[in-house]
Amino acid sequence: DAGVIQSPRHEVTEMGQEVTLRCKPISGHDYLFWYRQTMMRGLELLIYFNNNVPIDDSGMPEDRFSAKMPNASFSTLKIQPSEPRDSAVYFCASSSVLQGAFYNEQFFGPGTRLTVL
Amino acid sequence: GQSLEQPSEVTAVEGAIVQINCTYQTSGFYGLSWYQQHDGGAPTFLSYNALDGLEETGRFSSFLSRSDSYGYLLLQELQMKDSASYFCAVRNTDKLIFGTGTRLQVFP
Repeated sequence: DAGVIQSPRHEVTEMGQEVTLRCKPISGHDYLFWYRQTMMRGLELLIYFNNNVPIDDSGMPEDRFSAKMPNASFSTLKIQPSEPRDSAVYFCASSSVLQGAFYNEQFFGPGTRLTVL
Repeated sequence: GQSLEQPSEVTAVEGAIVQINCTYQTSGFYGLSWYQQHDGGAPTFLSYNALDGLEETGRFSSFLSRSDSYGYLLLQELQMKDSASYFCAVRNTDKLIFGTGTRLQVFP
C-alpha cells in the first residue's frame, strides 16, 4: 500500500484566500484524523471520522475550518478565509481496528506545509 | 483539563541509554502511545501500553504505571538515526492526545 497520501505537500497563499487540503487514507482503514502541528501548540487533533462520519470536531479552531469525508478513500480540510495564524503543517492519519500490529496505531501522511502570507 | 508533560530536550551519545518520561492528566485513559518524528517528517508509531508494565520492541521499550499516571520510553544502544522528536500520546476512546514532544539529540 502507498500509505496515507496528502496533497498538496506545500501551499503558499495569501490571507483571505480559500485553502483546501486533501487526504487519501490507507485502503481499508475506517478512521481518519486531521492534525495541525506548530511549534507553539504542538500536534493538535482537529477532527476525526469513523466510517466517513465526523465523530469529534471539538478541535476545529473556528468556523473558518471545515472538513468532509464524502467516501472511504477521500477527505478534505478547508480553510476559508485563511489567516496568517493558520500557517502550520497539517497531517492526515488513518487507522483501523482490524489492521496493523497494534489496532490503535495511526499511520500519518507526509503532511501539507501551509504558509499564509 | 488535559495535559501531558515531557522534557523538552534530551541529549546523549551513541551507544548510551536514554529514558524519556511522560506524565499525564486526562479525563479519560485507554492507553499510552509513543511516536517518533524526524525533522521534516511525519510521526511514526513506536509502541503502545494499555496495561501496567514494560513492553519491549527491539532497542526500544515503553513502560506504563496507570496508578502514577506515568510512562516512559527507553531507548538503548543509541544510534545517530535516533535523533528525532518523541511524543507520548494518551489514547482517549478512539483519539490520541499528544504531548509537547521531547527532542533527542544523539552525539557521536
